Amino acid sequence: EAQVTQNPRYLITVTGKKLTVTCSQNMNHEYMSWYRQDPGLGLRQIYYSMNVEVTDKGDVPEGYKVSRKEKRNFPLILESPSPNQTSLYFCASRLAGTQQEQYFGPGTRLTVT
Amino acid sequence: GDSVTQMEGPVTLSEEAFLTINCTYTATGYPSLFWYVQYPGEGLQLLLKATKADDKGSNKGFEATYRKETTSFHLEKGSVQVSDSAVYFCALSDNQAGTALIFGKGTTLSVSS
Repeated sequence: EAQVTQNPRYLITVTGKKLTVTCSQNMNHEYMSWYRQDPGLGLRQIYYSMNVEVTDKGDVPEGYKVSRKEKRNFPLILESPSPNQTSLYFCASRLAGTQQEQYFGPGTRLTVT
Repeated sequence: GDSVTQMEGPVTLSEEAFLTINCTYTATGYPSLFWYVQYPGEGLQLLLKATKADDKGSNKGFEATYRKETTSFHLEKGSVQVSDSAVYFCALSDNQAGTALIFGKGTTLSVSS
């Protein structure tokens, strides 16, 4: 089944404790992206990757890192999480081409206390 | 920059009522337009899309027409069902840079029987 998977689905952590949210897709998609969803703000892009070893900042990259060493994986790293990073996070992927549909993962709900 | 504005929710309807969710956009070029749906506890799924002016996207009884002259992409359904209760997002993709989907803030639809 074609899908984007994220782990973990739920995470409660404390300020400053490094964490990684994994994202993997099995569709051989070139493009991958991370979004965060907050009430009243909709979805905002954090980082994206057009292909392996090619990443760039989205609208809200502060406090996040990413890497794209393999085509299928695009982990999101929070080196020192803070409470303002409490949010619902979505990974997405698509084929190259701006008209292509983006496929979204199920989401990771992160709470930083 | 590019932006999407959609009507605030929540929208509350009875089963079999007619649905319209308004969406307008601002873009410098000729974007592709999308409607995504998010069911409770799930990620976003593509509902329909249109890639050029006057295109009509349709799926599951939902329709939207790409209107360049009014920069709009309103979502309609003739007869809603309880199972249509979800959050609906209008989005655009810049066909030049294509680095992100720009989302509206989402409209919550609640359908009662």
